[in-house]
Amino acid sequence: AQTVTQSQPEMSVQEAETVTLSCTYDTSESDYYLFWYKQPPSRQMILVIRQEAYKQQNATENRFSVNFQKAAKSFSLKISDSQLGDAAMYFCAYRSAFDSNYQLIWGAGTKLIIKP
Amino acid sequence: DTGVSQNPRHKITKRGQNVTFRCDPISEHNRLYWYRQTLGQGPEFLTYFQNEAQLEKSRLLSDRFSAERPKGSFSTLEIQRTEQGDSAMYLCASSWTSGGAKNEQFFGPGTRLTVL
Repeated sequence: AQTVTQSQPEMSVQEAETVTLSCTYDTSESDYYLFWYKQPPSRQMILVIRQEAYKQQNATENRFSVNFQKAAKSFSLKISDSQLGDAAMYFCAYRSAFDSNYQLIWGAGTKLIIKP
Repeated sequence: DTGVSQNPRHKITKRGQNVTFRCDPISEHNRLYWYRQTLGQGPEFLTYFQNEAQLEKSRLLSDRFSAERPKGSFSTLEIQRTEQGDSAMYLCASSWTSGGAKNEQFFGPGTRLTVL
């Protein structure tokens, strides 16, 4: 069975600086998708960035980018120029490309604190 | 607003009472998912529907839990004879079934259940 591990329960960063959140996963499958979701306090979960395993190029969305290391089964999220609005729980999630149910397997999350 | 909506946002009930939550997905989405999330954890899959058919249920979904999606539109999640262990955030998400990663799940704001 696939698992997702986020080893950092909490991270803090100074506003305007860069922070990297870690995620590792375990799978025997060759094709899958990886996601980072953001859940601000008392607000809904939103997708930050997605990565398709067959694509070697790391995904980027404005200030958010990933470092996808397929062999190491690592999928870290880098947030550049951190802003106060980035404060949230961040969840890493995995989805098999072979699962017609499109089920997401989630990590436990990392709480990101932005220091003004 | 055309996002996923959930009602009520908060529910406080006494142990042994029944509660019902509603989720209205994005209108063109044919898939609807229910998750449970406890504090400091990632979401746990409960069940999902494709149109009106309930295609999968987690072992977490005991006999006290029932979900419906009549006519493939909104969905309800009912918990009978609530227990204190049912206290959690109940999340609903919807998606479209297309190929690839772009059938992402869009989440509602959740219903926070407190069982006294």
